[in-house]
Order: sequence, then structure tokens, then C-alpha cells
Amino acid sequence: DSGVTQTPKHLITATGQRVTLRCSPRSGDLSVYWYQQSLDQGLQFLIQYYNGEERAKGNILERFSAQQFPDLHSELNLSSLELGDSALYFCASSVDPSPSTDTQYFGPGTRLTVL
Amino acid sequence: GENVEQHPSTLSVQEGDSAVIKCTYSDSASNYFPWYKQELGKRPQLIIDIRSNVGEKKDQRIAVTLNKTAKHFSLHITETQPEDSAVYFCAPYYGNNRLAFGKGNQVVVIP
Repeated sequence: DSGVTQTPKHLITATGQRVTLRCSPRSGDLSVYWYQQSLDQGLQFLIQYYNGEERAKGNILERFSAQQFPDLHSELNLSSLELGDSALYFCASSVDPSPSTDTQYFGPGTRLTVL
Repeated sequence: GENVEQHPSTLSVQEGDSAVIKCTYSDSASNYFPWYKQELGKRPQLIIDIRSNVGEKKDQRIAVTLNKTAKHFSLHITETQPEDSAVYFCAPYYGNNRLAFGKGNQVVVIP
């Protein structure tokens, strides 16, 4: 157990809908990263927050957004869902904002299925 | 841009043999090179990493070697065991606070 928690574990929804995924980082970690893992694309970095502020942006679609709250938990909002959004969504956390100086600890993931 | 390739995509080895998987990257400015292991249905976990001022690093049965000139780094697993069966991802650091994950190598250890 990495100490990072994600809810829900599974989510099944329909195209066009909106969902929110939640991540609680390890105690003391200020940085949260979001990744999307699909079979054909591997692990894709979406976005990073550090101490409440957006720090880095990856291949995140405009239909997706995220935020980090004062208690440091983070939410990833996915809207106008398409079939291709079906994937495993991981969050990871670390103390430092740079991945090159601090280990990222991954949560168990949320499996999203869009029907 | 980021161009990270891992070869071979799938590697089957007999238990007790060694496994080597290679990661090729394109950004000569990369200075941090981690390997993550993801067992079936589980989260990715960092297993070993190396920085650009070091050529090789070992941790028990695993080692990572770096060739900055050729822009590749490799994961070596010796005396493979069934619990080594997993997908292994390299994720060189490309700056801008991001790791660029490769598509993974599936390692299957045959008992």
C-alpha cells in the first residue's frame, strides 16, 4: 500500500456524461500527478499540481480539468465522455515538485468504462 | 518531443535466467532515468533509478545501466523468479516536471 488513495475504484458511465475522480496523496506529499493508462497508449501524463497550483501540463484534453484543494486532495473532472476515454486513471504523489528529485507513489487507480 | 521506445515488447525467460530490457530516448538533456514495475491489476512502482552522472546502479537482483552517448538505458534482472513477471516501464525525465513513460515491456518468467 503506497498511502495514496483513489475513489471510486470502478466507474461505469455513458457517453456524454461527466465524472469526477478523487485522489488523496500520502500524508505530507504536496505534489499530485494524474496519469491515464490505456492499452494502446501506455501511461500518459495528464497534469500535475503542487501545493494547490498547477505545475505542469501534459496531454490533457480540454474536456478534462483538475484541481487541488487546500487539504491537498485532488480531483480530475472528465466531461463529454467518449468511448475512447475508457481507461485506468492513476494519481501519484510526492513531496517535491520535480519527478527527478523525488519518487512518485502511485494510487490503486480508477477504472473508467464509458459505454 | 518525447520519443521513448522499449524493446522487446514481450520477453519470456526461464526461471533462473537473466532478463534484459532496453529503453531508448531522444532528449539528450534527460538526467534522470527510472524503471517502474507494474504487476497485473496493480499500480506502477518504482524499482530502480539512475542519474546521468552514474553509469550503473545495482539493487540485489536488479540493475540499471545508462549509455548517455547512445541515449539508452537498460534494466537487468538476474536469477529471475515468477514474481518478476510484470510490465516494466522506463520513464526518462524530460524536464517540465514530467516523466515520459514508454509503452512497457511485458516480462514473463516461465517456471
